[in-house]
Amino acid sequence: DAKTTQPNSMESNEEEPVHLPCNHSTISGTDYIHWYRQLPSQGPEYVIHGLTSNVNNRMASLAIAEDRKSSTLILHRATLRDAAVYYCIGGAGGTSYGKLTFGQGTILTVHP
Amino acid sequence: DGGITQSPKYLFRKEGQNVTLSCEQNLNHDAMYWYRQDPGQGLRLIYYSQIVNDFQKGDIAEGYSVSREKKESFPLTVTSAQKNPTAFYLCASSRVQSSPLHFGNGTRLTVT
Repeated sequence: DAKTTQPNSMESNEEEPVHLPCNHSTISGTDYIHWYRQLPSQGPEYVIHGLTSNVNNRMASLAIAEDRKSSTLILHRATLRDAAVYYCIGGAGGTSYGKLTFGQGTILTVHP
Repeated sequence: DGGITQSPKYLFRKEGQNVTLSCEQNLNHDAMYWYRQDPGQGLRLIYYSQIVNDFQKGDIAEGYSVSREKKESFPLTVTSAQKNPTAFYLCASSRVQSSPLHFGNGTRLTVT
């Protein structure tokens, strides 16, 4: 897996956009960038993943730098329910997918 | 609703006893995984299984054992050989090896 670096914590106000950064300078050409989030005492929840192009789904957007050494998870309008630990993971698909390494992630606090 | 069921939510055992954590999924997923999470830390892979009757060690398999006799079930046994078994255990599954992971809500094991 590619090593990823995320800020330990970030804060946002409700209904404002949130940009969660992730550096993955050692990512290989075939590694996907995955994002999961985890609420206290729950299992992680898949958010989004991508390879090269920016990706959008109902939960978030993923902006991937052209050189793929960094990416940003974008929550367009933060809600209190978005307060969680967000994990950015760089890893291949295929047989190594199950061995994704979850680091310590970014703790997102959302203020009302 | 399809999903992953982990039971029980909380489990208490005395040191020296083996304990088995249950994980059942009705998502018809081929691959299943066990992760361990310690307070304030990310997830570490214990074991994973791609198909019935087959499984591989993850990064921290020592002191754990698994079986995969049915597609739906992937129980984890924490043996007395595991030196520090108190942790939050998470089971996950995926449709194929390159699909997003679906997690259960975990079992919090306390050994005293």
